[in-house]
Amino acid sequence: SQTIHQWPATLVQPVGSPLSLECTVEGTSNPNLYWYRQAAGRGLQLLFYSVGIGQISSEVPQNLSASRPQDRQFILSSKKLLLSDSGFYLCACLPGGSPGYGYTFGSGTRLTVV
Amino acid sequence: QQQVKQSPQSLIVQKGGISIINCAYENTAFDYFPWYQQFPGKGPALLIAIRPDVSEKKEGRFTISFNKSAKQFSLHIMDSQPGDSATYFCAAADRGSTLGRLYFGRGTQLTVWP
Repeated sequence: SQTIHQWPATLVQPVGSPLSLECTVEGTSNPNLYWYRQAAGRGLQLLFYSVGIGQISSEVPQNLSASRPQDRQFILSSKKLLLSDSGFYLCACLPGGSPGYGYTFGSGTRLTVV
Repeated sequence: QQQVKQSPQSLIVQKGGISIINCAYENTAFDYFPWYQQFPGKGPALLIAIRPDVSEKKEGRFTISFNKSAKQFSLHIMDSQPGDSATYFCAAADRGSTLGRLYFGRGTQLTVWP
């Protein structure tokens, strides 16, 4: 089974500072990878997804970007954080691209922009 | 447009009672319906899933009921326990899609009182 590593677990950043969140996957090859954001007490908002190296699709226009430099590495970035970027960021993996196996989620990064 | 509609938003149940969460969908291409359980500060974890060729799937105290004609499915938690207190998300996917995207409901916050 696959394992997702996300770091850091908690982050407090000032408005206007850059951001880099990293997600790495073990136990599978050529997975689909996803970045979700969860506001406090809210649902899961899909931000980006990737079906392969260098292939990134964005779901919502925003202050964030994503990159996939390696098969099992997914990075979420921002050049200048906004207060509205605060939230719980989750990386998810779908092995082999088939939803029939279900997503595996990472443990998340709690980002607070101050 | 919300692809999967989930209700209720919050649910309070006495210990030993039955918790019921309902979801509905419109896209007839959906053929995979998982439920995720999320504890505070953690990523969602796959709890149980069903495919439309069966009307019910049971795993321990958790049961999914599926009504294909009504395009509805529900999660029943029998003999609810305080340890079941969490947020539950239903989801749906088209297994034929290479994007492998899961469409999530907005979540139900379940509280089980001892």
